[in-house]
Amino acid sequence: KNEVEQSPQNLTAQEEEFITINCSYSVGISALHWLQQHPGGGIVSLFMLSSGKKKHGRLIATINIQEKHSSLHITASHPRDSAVYICAVGNYGGSQGNLIFGKGTKLSVKP
Amino acid sequence: DAGVTQSPTHLIKTRGQQVTLRCSPISGHKSVSWYQQVLGQGPQFIFQYYEKEERGRGNFPDRFSARQFPNYSSELNVNALLLGDSALYLCASSFTGGTSYGYTFGSGTRLTVV
Repeated sequence: KNEVEQSPQNLTAQEEEFITINCSYSVGISALHWLQQHPGGGIVSLFMLSSGKKKHGRLIATINIQEKHSSLHITASHPRDSAVYICAVGNYGGSQGNLIFGKGTKLSVKP
Repeated sequence: DAGVTQSPTHLIKTRGQQVTLRCSPISGHKSVSWYQQVLGQGPQFIFQYYEKEERGRGNFPDRFSARQFPNYSSELNVNALLLGDSALYLCASSFTGGTSYGYTFGSGTRLTVV
């Protein structure tokens, strides 16, 4: 079993839909990251959080440390949100700087 | 302020050759991490360097090596290339390298081994 699991693997939505991507992890973490990767490959950091909730524009990230679970929400989705969304955790006890990545959720938003 | 820059952006090598990938971190960042992303998978940790010293190493063979220079830029070297080394190689920089700090990723180097 992977240490970081994301669901769903693929997600197709209509424009304006509310989207939720889930991430569960099995290791002790110092922080959890949500990242966005576009087809060209470059990765953009969206959020880093260790507790509670963060919001940036139409994006909201939440984390429940006790349940070892995080969600990324996109409100009023738009075709430009189409990308792969990756959850990564910084692992307590692992090599410093070693992020453990999920496999990503491929989101396609249709107009 | 420039972001994390990686070079080259793409390259094609043949099996058995050697390759060097380069990464320049954001100004002020002292830590550089390298990741390998095979198509359809999440990135896998290869190395982390902080203040020119290796701070962590992932589960990769000795054909993979890296170093960090006094200006905090870094090189990743891969010897005796295999077809399976074909991947996107990502560099990420951070201020201290601790996992509680934010990372900035480069756009990656796409390596194809034929």
